Amino acid sequence: EVKLVESGGGLVQPGRSLKLSCAASGFSFNDYWMGWVRQAPGKGLEWIGEINQDSSTINYTPSLKDKFTISRDNAQNTLYLQMSKLGSEDTAIYYCARGGYGWWGQGVMVTVSS
Amino acid sequence: DIVMTQSPSSLAVSAGETVTINCKSSQSLFGSVRQKNYLAWYQQKPGQSPKLLIYLASTRESGVPDRFIGSGSGTDFTLTISSVQAEDLANYYCQQYYDTPLTFGSGTKLEIK
Repeated sequence: EVKLVESGGGLVQPGRSLKLSCAASGFSFNDYWMGWVRQAPGKGLEWIGEINQDSSTINYTPSLKDKFTISRDNAQNTLYLQMSKLGSEDTAIYYCARGGYGWWGQGVMVTVSS
Repeated sequence: DIVMTQSPSSLAVSAGETVTINCKSSQSLFGSVRQKNYLAWYQQKPGQSPKLLIYLASTRESGVPDRFIGSGSGTDFTLTISSVQAEDLANYYCQQYYDTPLTFGSGTKLEIK
C-alpha cells in the first residue's frame, strides 16, 4: 500500500526556518517524481514544486523559489521541503504527493506566529 | 503562469441531481505530441487530503465511481457529477499540468441540500 507521511510541522516564529519531511513507503520511491502542495486555512490548493527521480530537475512556483528548497534522499525514501524566511502567509497544511498526484499524504500543519 | 478559472464557487443540490463544474484555462492545455489535455480534477472532503478523480481531462482514476465524468478540450473543461450522493459533499478543484508552475482552480464547494 502506498503511504506518504509528512512530519516536521508545528509552530514557528516569523523569519525562522523549518524543514518538513515526507516518508514514503509501499512503492519504488526512486521511480517517481515527488511534489509539495500547500493549503492555507480555509483556502484553496497551491502547488509549491516538484522534484524528479534523481534530483536533476526541480521546479518551483516562482513566488516561492527563493524561500523554499525541495530535495530528496532516495536511500531513505524521503522527500524534504526546506522553508526559510517564514511569514504568516506561509501558515498552511503542507502535503506531499507522488508524481501524477494520485497519492497524497495526510498533510502537516505549519503555523507561523510569534 | 496558466490561470485556471473555476465556476461556480459554490453550489447546493439535492441528492440525485446532476452537477456541472466548469474550469477555464488561460491557454490551451492540449499537448500536440500525445494529443491529450493535461487537466486533472480533485475532490477534497472536509478534513481530508485531496483525491485525484480525473486526469487527462476525461480519464477516471481507478476506483472512482462512473458518475464522475470529465470532459472538454483546449481551454474549457467540465466535471459532471450525475446522481449526486450525500458522500459527494466536498470541494472540487481543477488543475493544469501542461506547464510548470502547475496551477489549480480556486475550487467549487458542493453542498447537499
